[in-house]
Amino acid sequence: DSGVTQTPKHLITATGQRVTLRCSPRSGDLSVYWYQQSLDQGLQFLIQYYNGEERAKGNILERFSAQQFPDLHSELNLSSLELGDSALYFCASSVEGQLNTEAFFGQGTRLTVV
Amino acid sequence: EDQVTQSPEALRLQEGESSSLNCSYTVSGLRGLFWYRQDPGKGPEFLFTLYSAGEEKEKERLKATLTKKESFLHITAPKPEDSATYLCAVHRIEDSSYKLIFGSGTRLLVRP
Repeated sequence: DSGVTQTPKHLITATGQRVTLRCSPRSGDLSVYWYQQSLDQGLQFLIQYYNGEERAKGNILERFSAQQFPDLHSELNLSSLELGDSALYFCASSVEGQLNTEAFFGQGTRLTVV
Repeated sequence: EDQVTQSPEALRLQEGESSSLNCSYTVSGLRGLFWYRQDPGKGPEFLFTLYSAGEEKEKERLKATLTKKESFLHITAPKPEDSATYLCAVHRIEDSSYKLIFGSGTRLLVRP
């Protein structure tokens, strides 16, 4: 157990809908990272938050957004969902904003868009 | 363009048959190279971080090495429980951002 908690574990929704994925980082970790893993793209970095503020953006679509709350948990919002958004979404956390130290991953949320 | 390439895509070994996985990279400003293990349907599990050429790290049957252009994950006398996908990722500083660039992984199957 990495200490990073993601909910829900599975999510099935229809095209055009909006969903929210939740992540609780390890105790003491200030940074949260979101990744998308699909069969054809591998693990793709989406966005990073550090202590409540956006720190870095990767290949995140405009339909997607995220935030980190004062208690350091984070939410990833996916809207106007398309079939191609079906993937595993992972959250990772690390102690600081830098990835010099290891990042620990949650078990992921499997999103299926039908 | 930053790129991380892992080979082979898949590897089948007999229990006890040692081998190596390769991760080659072309990035500027490399800050670190990470190895992760991922079991099906699970999140990546951290194994090693390497920061500079010549560095080596070991953990049980695994040993990771780093050169200026590639990293190797050596598996000595593997067991069936070592079966997993092994992911390599690089960390570079791009402007003020920090992100991991992952390779596509090597799927390892160790047969008893």
